[in-house]
Amino acid sequence: DIQMTQSPASLSASVGDRVSITCRASQTIGNYLSWYQQKSGKAPELLIYGASSRQSGVPSRFSGSVSGTDFTLTITSLQPDDIATYYCHQSYTAPCTFGQGTKLEI
Amino acid sequence: EVHLVESGGGLFQPGGSLRLSCGASGFTVNSYYMAWVRQPPGKGLEWVSSAYGSGTTSYANSVKGRFTISTDIPKNTLYLHMRSLRADDTAVYFCARGIQDSGGYDLGLDSWGQGILVTVSS
Repeated sequence: DIQMTQSPASLSASVGDRVSITCRASQTIGNYLSWYQQKSGKAPELLIYGASSRQSGVPSRFSGSVSGTDFTLTITSLQPDDIATYYCHQSYTAPCTFGQGTKLEI
Repeated sequence: EVHLVESGGGLFQPGGSLRLSCGASGFTVNSYYMAWVRQPPGKGLEWVSSAYGSGTTSYANSVKGRFTISTDIPKNTLYLHMRSLRADDTAVYFCARGIQDSGGYDLGLDSWGQGILVTVSS
């Protein structure tokens, strides 16, 4: 099975900061990596699919990138509304797997 | 507007069974792939199962042989049949709609239900 190692587990930053969250796949998954934002008590929401394509309606401060098996979610100019837990998810092959999550605090 | 609503959760005995339902509106379930994802209390997301319009299904190792995913096209509903329940099946269960690229590869889950709590305890 493909393992997704997500880091950091938690992150504290200030409004206006640039933050990055990384997921490393245990083997090649192409660009079949998506990122989700989950606010407390809510369902996850899709931010990025195909490693770097922004979902419709997602603010442009969210971006995704890939280098080999390393995937990065970057939030530029952090906003108070960005307080959430973020997850990566590989859908290249079953069993699909999520990263462990990154709790972002401001 | 796309809408997904889960039902069928509650408190169940270890070794028991249940069926979760996910009613869809705003699209047809056989035009997308559909998935179940669960989240144990205070923990992260875990993919459970996916179903495709072709009839193909896939499962997490932890539920293989115990859970069955299915769709009812006339009712536009996704199901998850769960049996031989264990305490570690306790979680909020989300249904989600998946999107694919032109090659039929899964790109991600673009719409989610609000989730339903399943508690397995004696």
